[in-house]
Formats: sequence, structure tokens, C-alpha cells
Amino acid sequence: GIQVEQSPPDLILQEGANSTLRCNFSDSVNNLQWFHQNPWGQLINLFYIPSGTKQNGRLSATTVATERYSLLYISSSQTTDSGVYFCAYNTDKLIFGTGTRLQVFP
Amino acid sequence: EPEVTQTPSHQVTQMGQEVILRCVPISNHLYFYWYRQILGQKVEFLVSFYNNEISEKSEIFDDQFSVERPDGSNFTLKIRSTKLEDSAMYFCASRAHLILNTEAFFGQGTRLTVV
Repeated sequence: GIQVEQSPPDLILQEGANSTLRCNFSDSVNNLQWFHQNPWGQLINLFYIPSGTKQNGRLSATTVATERYSLLYISSSQTTDSGVYFCAYNTDKLIFGTGTRLQVFP
Repeated sequence: EPEVTQTPSHQVTQMGQEVILRCVPISNHLYFYWYRQILGQKVEFLVSFYNNEISEKSEIFDDQFSVERPDGSNFTLKIRSTKLEDSAMYFCASRAHLILNTEAFFGQGTRLTVV
């Protein structure tokens, strides 16, 4: 089956710093989604991005389908960005990665 | 904005009891899913459902689990005889189309604790 790996597994930042989260796939990317799981456990849709780049405020995502990876950029991080970030390979079902746990301190 | 809603948000049950987790998918969506997340781990696929039948199920989805769409709006997950290891967050998801791999939307989850 398709493998989805995320790096780094943990990330600690000070408020205001920028970060890049990576998602690698074992097969060519057809479509994928990025989620933020907040401290209450809710999965919040961030991006639905088969290829190219999308931006939403301080967040942006880039998928390079042929290279089998996607990147999530967080600029000027805030404490509310803390949580776990998941990417998911989108096929007949979503196959989730292992997640990156982000902690942002003031 | 349309959203997937799940009830209850928390449920505590005794081992061996039956539980039913409820979901109301987005109204024009056709494909429905249940996922599970054990504390601190990744989100795992349980089952997909389309046209009133199971499309695919994972190894986790054994005979203790069942799903149903009893009416035009609800989608339920039943665990017949809960075990301690069933303690997890359960997420319902829906999407409009499958072939187009459209965006999937998740409910806020039901945290199940088996004691």
C-alpha cells in the first residue's frame, strides 16, 4: 500500500519564526490534503492540493506530484498554530501520514 | 458553511457494552467514512460507505463493527461489545465525489473511552 511519511516528527518554535513541514509519498501524488489537528482533537482542513502552490494567509502549501512530496510553510508562527499537522494521500480513501507535532512558544 | 457533525463529543462506556456513534454528513455528499485515532497516533481508516453499502474496510473493522445509514441524513458506527483497546477518537468524514478525488471533510470527532 501507499506509504506517507512526514518530517520532522516534532518541531518547537518561538513565536514569529517560520517553518517548513514535509510530506513524502511512496507513489506519485494524485491528490492530497493537509490538516491541522488542534489541541481539542479536531481535524481542520488546511489545503486540498493536487499540484502547484496554494496560499491561505500565513500558510502555504506546495505539491510536486512527480517528485512525490508536498511542503507546508508556516510563516510568522503564532501560539495558536500549535498542534499536529497531517498530510493525507487522497485516493478512494485518505491515507494519513504520521504527523508533525508543532509547539509554538511565546 | 456546510459541515459534518458528530454526536456525542465524548462517550464513556463499560467494557462489553454496545456503543453507537452518530454522524450527519454534508447533505449533498455521497461517500462516507469512519476513521479512528488512538491517542498520540495517526489517523487510521476503518470503513468507507457508498450507495448504502460498504465499499472498503480495513483489518481493524472486524465483526464487532458495523455501519448503517438508517435514514437520509445519519450515518452510524456501532461497536457491539467494546474492548479497552477501542478507546480512541472516532472521526466521520464525507466527500461529494470519488472518481474526482474531491476534498474530504471531517467531523469534530467522538472521543470514546472504554473502562
